[in-house]
Amino acid sequence: GAVVSQHPSWVICKSGTSVKIECRSLDFQATTMFWYRQFPKQSLMLMATSNEGSKATYEQGVEKDKFLINHASLTLSTLTVTSAHPEDSSFYICSARLTGRVTQYFGPGTRLLVL
Amino acid sequence: GDSVTQMEGPVTLSEEAFLTINCTYTATGYPSLFWYVQYPGEGLQLLLKATKADDKGSNKGFEATYRKETTSFHLEKGSVQVSDSAVYFCALSDPNTGNQFYFGTGTSLTVIP
Repeated sequence: GAVVSQHPSWVICKSGTSVKIECRSLDFQATTMFWYRQFPKQSLMLMATSNEGSKATYEQGVEKDKFLINHASLTLSTLTVTSAHPEDSSFYICSARLTGRVTQYFGPGTRLLVL
Repeated sequence: GDSVTQMEGPVTLSEEAFLTINCTYTATGYPSLFWYVQYPGEGLQLLLKATKADDKGSNKGFEATYRKETTSFHLEKGSVQVSDSAVYFCALSDPNTGNQFYFGTGTSLTVIP
């Protein structure tokens, strides 16, 4: 139980294009989902917290207009990297939390390479 | 503020050796503590957790005990295997900050046959 999927698992795009990453909780409902970014050999950096049906809360230094987050249902959150640039290349990981619980369950990650 | 300090790696051990990865924390409230494992190219998998002082989390031969007096949650395994090679992250979730997660920097473990 508590499986989280992400799609796509990797994506290569040209600079200036937008990329959408989906995060789904497969066997539970997640009121809250989180989006992290991980640089090589580093820890996870929280980008934003996404609550179903409301606007995401972004961490300091994260551009909300560049990283658009939508959490339209209890099982799906999307992260759209708009007008991607090479510096946006990274490993993006989402997590989901069961309603009323503390533990976060993580997706397998999406590797983004912007050329 | 809340933080997690984790033993720096990389750690290299021979198969069947004893493993300890140290983790200490600072928190304003009474946090829950976690160990996650990340295999190459993958996301994080929950390894074990403890939600209150003196709780012991265990899974797949790994153990960690929530020590409030020393604010620690050290990860141990009596006999490591090659398949345990991965990066291990210590994390806390503090109810005083909306249960936001705070991660350590990660410790890379390589087990050689």
